[in-house]
Amino acid sequence: EAGVAQSPRYKIIEKRQSVAFWCNPISGHATLYWYQQILGQGPKLLIQFQNNGVVDDSQLPKDRFSAERLKGVDSTLKIQPAKLEDSAVYLCASSLNVDTDTQYFGPGTRLTVL
Amino acid sequence: RKEVEQDPGPFNVPEGATVAFNCTYSNSASQSFFWYRQDCRKEPKLLMSVYSSGNEDGRFTAQLNRASQYISLLIRDSKLSDSATYLCVAWDSSYKLIFGSGTRLLVRP
Repeated sequence: EAGVAQSPRYKIIEKRQSVAFWCNPISGHATLYWYQQILGQGPKLLIQFQNNGVVDDSQLPKDRFSAERLKGVDSTLKIQPAKLEDSAVYLCASSLNVDTDTQYFGPGTRLTVL
Repeated sequence: RKEVEQDPGPFNVPEGATVAFNCTYSNSASQSFFWYRQDCRKEPKLLMSVYSSGNEDGRFTAQLNRASQYISLLIRDSKLSDSATYLCVAWDSSYKLIFGSGTRLLVRP
């Protein structure tokens, strides 16, 4: 079974630039999550989708971050404009359903903002 | 106060040692608990679930104390390959995983 796919794996940008990350969850998984993991910390949930609807985006900095999952499968996370403090690993995860406690993580995208 | 708190370590132990990590959580409504393992520059992977009755998987034992709101992970006969960061995780009543900051373990030869 294919796991969660993410791209790119690494991205270096300058502050105030824009960047987008892509995630393809495990086939059949209705729930998709984006996490931000800053060095030395645990992952922090940014946004949670159930199919193509947002379940929770309470910790998403909406002035600069946006995410979509238009067809209920793939998802993109965008940052515009980026700040130095956005340097982190962005992890995508998926689960069968919103009330399933087992999540599977992708390899992450490591973002460096200079 | 963080919802899930862990000692960041590092715990530096020799091969064959027994090491224990503790973790506390603040939300008494949390429903399930887990330990995830995260290798350097890799994604978190589920190590084991934590049950009130205790859960053992080979050299690893996890326990939950709901009254005191803490979770423990015991690793017996440590191997070099156990070196990693161990993340304590709570699944809260709104179906979100809440991660601790992780405890780093270094097993030396």
